[in-house]
Amino acid sequence: EAQVTQNPRYLITVTGKKLTVTCSQNMNHEYMSWYRQDPGLGLRQIYYSMNVEVTDKGDVPEGYKVSRKEKRNFPLILESPSPNQTSLYFCASSLSLAGAEKLFFGSGTQLSVL
Amino acid sequence: AQSVTQLGSHVSVSEGALVLLRCNYSSSVPPYLFWYVQYPNQGLQLLLKYTSAATLVKGINGFEAEFKKSETSFHLTKPSAHMSDAAEYFCAVTASNTGFQKLVFGTGTRLLVSP
Repeated sequence: EAQVTQNPRYLITVTGKKLTVTCSQNMNHEYMSWYRQDPGLGLRQIYYSMNVEVTDKGDVPEGYKVSRKEKRNFPLILESPSPNQTSLYFCASSLSLAGAEKLFFGSGTQLSVL
Repeated sequence: AQSVTQLGSHVSVSEGALVLLRCNYSSSVPPYLFWYVQYPNQGLQLLLKYTSAATLVKGINGFEAEFKKSETSFHLTKPSAHMSDAAEYFCAVTASNTGFQKLVFGTGTRLLVSP
């Protein structure tokens, strides 16, 4: 089944403790991205990747890192999480960057930073 | 730069009534427009998209939207609401020449359907 898989589904951590949220897609998609969803703000793009080893900042990249060493994986890294990074995070992928393609979303990761 | 405005953070309808969710966009170049739906505890699913072909776009689950350039609108409609339509709906816009790297989402509209 074609899907975008995120793990974990829920995560509670403390300020400053490094964490990684994994994202994997099985559709051989070139484009992958991370969004955070906050009430009243909709979804905002954190980082995106157009292909292996090609990443770029979105609208809210501060405090986040990403890597794209393999085509299928696009982990989101929080080196020193802070409470303002408490949010619902979504990974998404598409066959290409072109907006006419379909964008597939993962089920989300609810992160709480205490 | 592109932007979207969704009018109404919550919309309530009765089962069987018309659903109308409003979205206005701003774009200096020809836009691509999307409607996504998010059911509780799930990711977003594409309902429909406009990519410069027909201005009336039909999507899944009986939804449709009409691109009106003169009004810079892309409102989502469904003739008859069903209980299963209760969800949050997001309008999104990007420019045809930038694709998903500049996809901008609205703040969302929660649709409540009462029996």
